[in-house]
Amino acid sequence: GAVVSQHPSWVICKSGTSVKIECRSLDFQATTMFWYRQFPKQSLMLMATSNEGSKATYEQGVEKDKFLINHASLTLSTLTVTSAHPEDSSFYICSARDQLAGTLAKNIQYFGAGTRLSVL
Amino acid sequence: AQTVTQSQPEMSVQEAETVTLSCTYDTSESDYYLFWYKQPPSRQMILVIRQEAYKQQNATENRFSVNFQKAAKSFSLKISDSQLGDAAMYFCAYRTYNTGGFKTIFGAGTRLFVKA
Repeated sequence: GAVVSQHPSWVICKSGTSVKIECRSLDFQATTMFWYRQFPKQSLMLMATSNEGSKATYEQGVEKDKFLINHASLTLSTLTVTSAHPEDSSFYICSARDQLAGTLAKNIQYFGAGTRLSVL
Repeated sequence: AQTVTQSQPEMSVQEAETVTLSCTYDTSESDYYLFWYKQPPSRQMILVIRQEAYKQQNATENRFSVNFQKAAKSFSLKISDSQLGDAAMYFCAYRTYNTGGFKTIFGAGTRLFVKA
C-alpha cells in the first residue's frame, strides 16, 4: 500500500532552536497533507492542512509563525517548529491524501509513523 | 463551545464479536464532518471512517460502520467481527468551518482491548 515517510522519527533539541520535520509520500502524489500534534497525554490536535504550491490552511488557534509549513512539491511537506520550547514537546504526525486513489469523497489518507520532539 | 465526548475510556470485546464505541458532540453548526481515527500501539494513525453531516446515510468501511444520529449529536462506531488487530486507541473527531477558519476537535479516546 501507499507509504508516507516521516523524518526524523525522534529529535531532541535545545530550547530556542528550530526543528524541521519532513513528510514524504513515497509512491503517490499528494496535493494535500495534514499535520497533527499529539500531546503527552494522548490528546490530539489537527494543526494544519498543507496544500502543494500554496499556503497552508491552519486550524483555529494554531500559531502560524510558530509552526511553519511548506509544501513545495507533490511528495514533500515540511513542518518547522520555530524557536522551540519545552511546551512544544509532542508527537507530530503527518498524513497525505492520495489524490488519485478513489474519489475525493473517499478521502483516503495515509499516515506517517510520527516524529517525537523533545525540547530540553 | 464545541466539544467531543467519548464516554468510555476503555472497552473490551471478544474476538469475532461486535463492539460499539460511543461518541457524542456538542455544536450549533449544521455543516460539519465527523471522523473516527484508530491508533494502534505502534502509534501509526489510521483514518477509519468519515461522515459528512449533510448525509443521512451512515458511512461504512468493511467491518467498520457508524451510527450517525444528527439530532442526538451522536456518532458511534461499530466494529463487527472484531479481530486482534483492532486493538487500539480510537479517537472520534468533529470538524467544521466558520468565519474563524477550520476547527477540529478530538475526543479523549477509547482504548479497545480484543480478547482472544
